[in-house]
Order: sequence, then C-alpha cells, then structure tokens
Amino acid sequence: QLQLQESGPGLVRPSETLSLNCNVSGGAIRKSSDYWSWIRQAPGKGLEWIGSIYSSGTTYYNPSLKGRLTISIEASKNQFSLKLLSVTAADSAIYYCAKRGGIVVVPGALGRAIDVWGHGTMVIVSS
Amino acid sequence: SAALTQPPSVSVSPGQPARITCSADELASQYAYWYQQKPGQAPVVIIYKDTERPAGIPERFSGSRSGTTVTMTINAVQAEDEADYYCQSADSSGTYVIFGGGTKLTVL
Repeated sequence: QLQLQESGPGLVRPSETLSLNCNVSGGAIRKSSDYWSWIRQAPGKGLEWIGSIYSSGTTYYNPSLKGRLTISIEASKNQFSLKLLSVTAADSAIYYCAKRGGIVVVPGALGRAIDVWGHGTMVIVSS
Repeated sequence: SAALTQPPSVSVSPGQPARITCSADELASQYAYWYQQKPGQAPVVIIYKDTERPAGIPERFSGSRSGTTVTMTINAVQAEDEADYYCQSADSSGTYVIFGGGTKLTVL
C-alpha cells in the first residue's frame, strides 16, 4: 500500500527557503504514471495546490507561486521535494505531499483524484 | 486565479439529506472530485469522476452533475459526517489543480 511521509523543519525564518521532502513507500516513484504533488493549507483556511511533478521530471506549478517554487524528484531515495524561496508569514501552513492520478487509465484507480495523502507537516514562518 | 465556488457552510439535522454544490466554468471540460476533511486529518477522496464512489466510502455519499455545477449529496446525514468538504477539478488542460473554498458541514 502506497504511503507518503513529509519531513522538514517546522520553523523557517522570513526571507529564507522552505525545504520539505516527501518519502514514498510501497511503490516506485519513477515507475509511476502518477503526479506527485504538494498541497498546503493555511491555519483555518482551505486547500491550495502548490504544484506537481510527473515521474519524468516535468513540473507544473501554481502560477501564484511560480518564480519561488521548485519541485524535484530524487529517484534513488524514492522521494520528491519542495523548495519555496523567500518565504513570508503567508506561507505558514500545513504542507501535504500527495499522489494525483495520471492520464493513463489504470484498473481500479480513481481517475485523476488525489488519492493518497501524507499526514501533513506544519511549517511556521517566523523570526 | 481560477477557483471553484462552494457555499461556505451547510447545516443539516441528522437523518436529513445534505447537498453541497460546486460550480465553475472549468467543470465544463473536467471531472470533479470531492474530499472530506475532519479536524487534524488529511483529506480523503469520497467522490471521483463526478459520480463514482471509492471502495470503503458509505453509499449515502453520492455525486451528480448538471452542466458546470456538480453536487455532492449525503443521504441521511450522520453525526460522523460533520467535516469540511472540498471539491476539486483542473484547468482545461487537466494539469493545474483547482480547489473549491471548502464547505463546513454542521450536523445539528
């Protein structure tokens, strides 16, 4: 069974870089036809898609974050990561890594649903 | 940026139906997905491809579509259904994910 686990610092200073990793277990990230994604949720707010990366390395970013955001895959570690530059208090949130279904039709899959989520990790931006 | 429109809150008495709508032009060409999120937990998909229900999701949850509006219905709401519900779709390319603002379901 596929499982995702976020890791990274819980506190980041303003103007610095937020870096998170997502460890994938129960499946090979490079062999997947899925989209590995980051989603965040500010305290008391709704879900915000940050971006996704395909197994080939192609990335798709939320336009509101483009320019500050890098998502990458480290296949040897079976993990993917997020780097967000120049953070402010507005970037404080629970960050989830997740798997979104790909275009390829897979028996039993839930289409392009975000069907596997990590537990989330809280990141606070503060000095 | 594009967003899906949901009511902020819905209140319903136990045993009554609850309906949460979600609308946007993007829904004309993309499927909708629904997620349930309980406090302190990650979201869970409860409806996919507008009307399909994943294994393990109770039959009282259903989805429907009319044009660019999708609706998630809970028949005979139970206290345990109190949660935040989010609809999700994508842009016309299917690549960029869009969420609704979320609906807080209160069971009276």
